[in-house]
Amino acid sequence: EVQLVESGGNLRKPGESLRLSCATSGFSFNSAWMSWVRQAPGKGLQWVGRIKSKTHGGTTDYAAPVTGRFTISRDDSKSTLYLQMNSLKTEDTAVYYCVTYGTSSPDHEQYYYMDVWGKGTTVTVSS
Amino acid sequence: SYDLTQPPSVSVSPGQTVSITCSGDKLGDEYVCWYQQRAGQSPVLVIYQDNKRPSGIPERFSGSNSGNTATLTISGAQAMDEADYYCQAWDKNTGEVFGGGTKLTVL
Repeated sequence: EVQLVESGGNLRKPGESLRLSCATSGFSFNSAWMSWVRQAPGKGLQWVGRIKSKTHGGTTDYAAPVTGRFTISRDDSKSTLYLQMNSLKTEDTAVYYCVTYGTSSPDHEQYYYMDVWGKGTTVTVSS
Repeated sequence: SYDLTQPPSVSVSPGQTVSITCSGDKLGDEYVCWYQQRAGQSPVLVIYQDNKRPSGIPERFSGSNSGNTATLTISGAQAMDEADYYCQAWDKNTGEVFGGGTKLTVL
């Protein structure tokens, strides 16, 4: 069974930093693409960023609101995903979900889609 | 940025069929996913690649995508289907994009 367990959520002041972790099990983490998605209180889902597997270069992509402030990394030896959040803003207050990707091969091309979600960890940014 | 538009809310009577739309420019050129989020829970994937159901998702959930509109259809809605539903697609400039979400009420 795929399991994703986020941790590290806390209360921070604007301008401070925080690192989230996502411990995984039940699948081949080193070949998995992973994303972080957040949800502000009472709001919808917002993608934060993605990291590909090292086989696919381990490259990262980020949403515009977090580019330059947030960094996604992975430790395949620990099957763990990270989100380093710097220069936090009040609008970063949200539940942060770790998500793993599934794959399929329509039309003989690889298609990646966000599949299993963790339970989330809460980040509050307030003075 | 790329935007996906969903109706804020829809309602359905138990046992009836309901459709939730998701609109975006040339959305039919991309694959669409749908996620169900019950109150207080994490999102769950119910449709991927426009119309594929993950294992464990009931057959009453189906999807389609053409032109500028993707549609999630629940045939024979049940009380347990009451939730927020989000469409999602990939845009090469914006990344993963979610619709604003649709609150489904079964009454």
